[in-house]
Amino acid sequence: QQQVKQSPQSLIVQKGGISIINCAYENTAFDYFPWYQQFPGKGPALLIAIRPDVSEKKEGRFTISFNKSAKQFSLHIMDSQPGDSATYFCAASMEETSGSRLTFGEGTQLTVNP
Amino acid sequence: DVKVTQSSRYLVKRTGEKVFLECVQDMDHENMFWYRQDPGLGLRLIYFSYDVKMKEKGDIPEGYSVSREKKERFSLILESASTNQTSMYLCASSFELASLAKNIQYFGAGTRLSVL
Repeated sequence: QQQVKQSPQSLIVQKGGISIINCAYENTAFDYFPWYQQFPGKGPALLIAIRPDVSEKKEGRFTISFNKSAKQFSLHIMDSQPGDSATYFCAASMEETSGSRLTFGEGTQLTVNP
Repeated sequence: DVKVTQSSRYLVKRTGEKVFLECVQDMDHENMFWYRQDPGLGLRLIYFSYDVKMKEKGDIPEGYSVSREKKERFSLILESASTNQTSMYLCASSFELASLAKNIQYFGAGTRLSVL
């Protein structure tokens, strides 16, 4: 059972456009929501993360929007660039559990055309 | 820089073979994880370990076992490889005190395993 659902599976955006990836979770005990970015041939790497006490977090061109009541969060990439082309994973965890294990979404393959 | 090293980038094995995937991290992390990555299914947790000789099952442990004899090394074992275990395998590590260290998992580059 997938506890974190991610959409779309793939996304094509023109350079300069806005990329939006959405995630929904089921477990209300989740209290940490990171996004990971994976380039071809590499392992995923943390991009940006949010905790549920805030509704939005921005780092450069990347913004997480968080809606606790709807149990949804999304990644917005402003002014998308070809170098942003990668696979993006949302995730969720309960930090008090041993190992702070992450539950990942299915992933979104983003292509930014020049 | 944190480094998580997986011993092989590509492996080809035959059905029924015993397969070892090795992972080493150099940041003195307490936690280590094994995932498999399949298109459309994301990253699924196989096993994780929060201390030497400790292990816990993840979401898909069937057909796999793990070993953690030293803090820096975490091995994934396929006792009898099957074709449905053909996949990309990713190792990760993190600090135990997650809330202080921002709960960052550091990943290796992955091992692409093909079972014929």
